[in-house]
Amino acid sequence: GAVVSQHPSWVICKSGTSVKIECRSLDFQATTMFWYRQFPKQSLMLMATSNEGSKATYEQGVEKDKFLINHASLTLSTLTVTSAHPEDSSFYICSARDPGQGINEQFFGPGTRLTVL
Amino acid sequence: AQSVSQHNHHVILSEAASLELGCNYSYGGTVNLFWYVQYPGQHLQLLLKYFSGDPLVKGIKGFEAEFIKSKFSFNLRKPSVQWSDTAEYFCAVSLYSGGGADGLTFGKGTHLIIQP
Repeated sequence: GAVVSQHPSWVICKSGTSVKIECRSLDFQATTMFWYRQFPKQSLMLMATSNEGSKATYEQGVEKDKFLINHASLTLSTLTVTSAHPEDSSFYICSARDPGQGINEQFFGPGTRLTVL
Repeated sequence: AQSVSQHNHHVILSEAASLELGCNYSYGGTVNLFWYVQYPGQHLQLLLKYFSGDPLVKGIKGFEAEFIKSKFSFNLRKPSVQWSDTAEYFCAVSLYSGGGADGLTFGKGTHLIIQP
């Protein structure tokens, strides 16, 4: 149980285009999902907290207009990188909290590698 | 804001050696502590976690960690490593705010290489 998927697993896009990344909880309902970013050979940095039915909470330094988050259902959160630029190239990872397994544990998706040309 | 410090960025051991990876955090309130592992090309997997109770926690694959509150530490240990333990290890902390834990703050990771 507690499986989180992401789609796509990798994406290459041109500079200036927008890219949408999906995060799904497959076998549980997640009221809260988190989005992280991981640069090569570095750690994960929390970008934002996504709550179903409400606005996302962004960490300091993360542009909310550039990284649009929508948590429209209990099993789906999306991250849209708008007007992507090469510096947005990174590995984006989502996680979801499964209330049935304790409110404090998060389950991670496999990540999406974004390359902006 | 809380921070997590992992002492060793690269560790190279021989098989059967004992392992200890250091992790310290900075926050005075109630925290939840985690160790995650990321095998090459795979996603993060939870090794073990500490929420409350016995400060010595046992995880999967023979790993354990000890929470020492006075030292703000949560070091990861394994008595005898295997070649398959080669991976990136991340220590992480989340704050507990009563309504549920916040997002995780990760350490920079330790790249562990086990030589056969």
